[in-house]
Amino acid sequence: DGGITQSPKYLFRKEGQNVTLSCEQNLNHDAMYWYRQDPGQGLRLIYYSQIVNDFQKGDIAEGYSVSREKKESFPLTVTSAQKNPTAFYLCASSPIPDRGSNEQFFGPGTRLTVL
Amino acid sequence: GEDVEQSLFLSVREGDSSVINCTYTDSSSTYLYWYKQEPGAGLQLLTYIFSNMDMKQDQRLTVLLNKKDKHLSLRIADTQTGDSAIYFCAERWAYKYIFGTGTRLKVLA
Repeated sequence: DGGITQSPKYLFRKEGQNVTLSCEQNLNHDAMYWYRQDPGQGLRLIYYSQIVNDFQKGDIAEGYSVSREKKESFPLTVTSAQKNPTAFYLCASSPIPDRGSNEQFFGPGTRLTVL
Repeated sequence: GEDVEQSLFLSVREGDSSVINCTYTDSSSTYLYWYKQEPGAGLQLLTYIFSNMDMKQDQRLTVLLNKKDKHLSLRIADTQTGDSAIYFCAERWAYKYIFGTGTRLKVLA
């Protein structure tokens, strides 16, 4: 059963704490992505990675960090520097873009709430 | 810069057709996608269209692409209450996928 898993589904954090959101895929995809979704808004790209040990900032990377030590894993850390972290976080993966459709596949999301 | 626009809301009666519209800006996009998001869930790919196509049909779904006007639409025939969700169009630009703001479809029984 191939897919993307994210954990936890719900996460509560106190102000000033760092938290790490997990994302794992067994689709053998090279590229992985993190998005943030706020109510009534579209998806905003936080970070993406095209290959192991390499990643690039997206449009809203400030206050976030990532690592890509394994092809199947792309964890996201929300640091205390992120001023408004309460949101729904979505992880996605895709094959390396080539001539194919290369659609993104999404995990079920993690809802982070700062108390 | 890249920008994908959609209207925010659409309301239809059960059994009617729904048409969700999207405009995009990057004429070099090779593929355009439609995703569905149900409450509290991730995005599910519905369909996609290659940029050299004008139309693609997949069961109740019809995608129309007007490349000259950079306009994409998704028609859902015989809309059901289970189709109530947020629908996102997206274009791919190199490694990045640019998503619209999403259209919330409400189906009235």
